[in-house]
Formats: sequence, structure tokens, C-alpha cells
Amino acid sequence: TQLLEQSPQFLSIQEGENLTVYCNSSSVFSSLQWYRQEPGEGPVLLVTVVTGGEVKKLKRLTFQFGDARKDSSLHITAAQPGDTGLYLCAGPKGSTLGRLYFGRGTQLTVWP
Amino acid sequence: EAQVTQNPRYLITVTGKKLTVTCSQNMNHEYMSWYRQDPGLGLRQIYYSMNVEVTDKGDVPEGYKVSRKEKRNFPLILESPSPNQTSLYFCASKRNTEAFFGQGTRLTVV
Repeated sequence: TQLLEQSPQFLSIQEGENLTVYCNSSSVFSSLQWYRQEPGEGPVLLVTVVTGGEVKKLKRLTFQFGDARKDSSLHITAAQPGDTGLYLCAGPKGSTLGRLYFGRGTQLTVWP
Repeated sequence: EAQVTQNPRYLITVTGKKLTVTCSQNMNHEYMSWYRQDPGLGLRQIYYSMNVEVTDKGDVPEGYKVSRKEKRNFPLILESPSPNQTSLYFCASKRNTEAFFGQGTRLTVV
């Protein structure tokens, strides 16, 4: 069983549309992270959310951590072709110094 | 520049021929790990290391070995590669919860 479930698996939209991707778990996490991976590259950290209910904004990207710290969402406003990539959520199970678990990712394609 | 460096970026090999993928980080991180990424399966952890001489199995360790003799290096060893180990491999080092990834090694075993 996957510790972190992401949905949808694939998302294909037109430039200018809004979208939300989800990361859910039955477990409580001390923090959750979002990474973006572009073809041929390793994942790069976008944000870490730590407090239940926390909202963080990164330009057109809004990240939210659920109140119970079991889920997170990523909302993109007015998507652009440059947003295309694989979005991964990740979280440490147990100690923050320990293993980092990843969801399977959402492949986002934004068409001009 | 802070980075994780993997080599080689691309490798084609034959079944049974031992190979090593190197990984080096310059951020003095204690934690390092190896992942493989396959379509539909996401990033799966192979091995991780909490510090020098401390290594442990991840979720898919079969067929792989690692060593951590010094803090900056964490090589991945395939003693007898098989076609099911064809994959995209990533090395990562971690500070607290933030992971820094290398650029990946695309391995094909024929």
C-alpha cells in the first residue's frame, strides 16, 4: 500500500486554467513537502508545510496542509506551459531525520 | 554550488556484469539515499544511510548493495544486474526534511 496517495495521476489542461492536485494519507505527518520534477532532471523542492491548516503561496502556486496533517493540496492559478512537470508530494514518517516517503506523482501538462 | 552529483548519467550494460553508480554530495549532509523511478510506480527507495558506516534497506533493496565509507559518497552497486533493474536511478541527500537530488542515472540492462 502507498503511504501517500496523489490524485489525479495525469492532468492535461489549457494555458490559463486553474487546477488542484491532492496528496492524501491515512497517517499523520509532521510535515509534507511538494517537489516538481522536469524531464531528465531530479525532483526539486517547492515548499514544506509544517503546521496543520497552514497555507503557503509561491507566486501562482498555493499549498495547503490539512488541519489533521494527513493531507495536502496544491492549487495553481492561471497555469502556464512552464508549469508542466511531475508534481510529487513527500513526507517523513516518524522522525524528521528519517526516511522520506513519496507519492507516485501527478503528471501535469499545460498546453499553450 | 550545493549539489548532488551522480555518474554516469546514462549506462547500457549486459546482464550479470557488475556495475557501480557513484554519488557525491558537497553539503555535508548525514543522510543519503538511493531511489529508482519507474512509470506508474513513482520513486521507490532502495537503500538509505543515516551516517557514515550506517546503512539500511529501503522498500526495494533486492539486487543492490551500498556502502558509506565517507560522508560525501554513497555508491550504488549492482553485483549482477538483470533486465528488471532497468530504470531511472536518483541519489539524494537530506537536511532535516528537504531532499536534494542528483540528475539521475538512466540504466538499461540488456
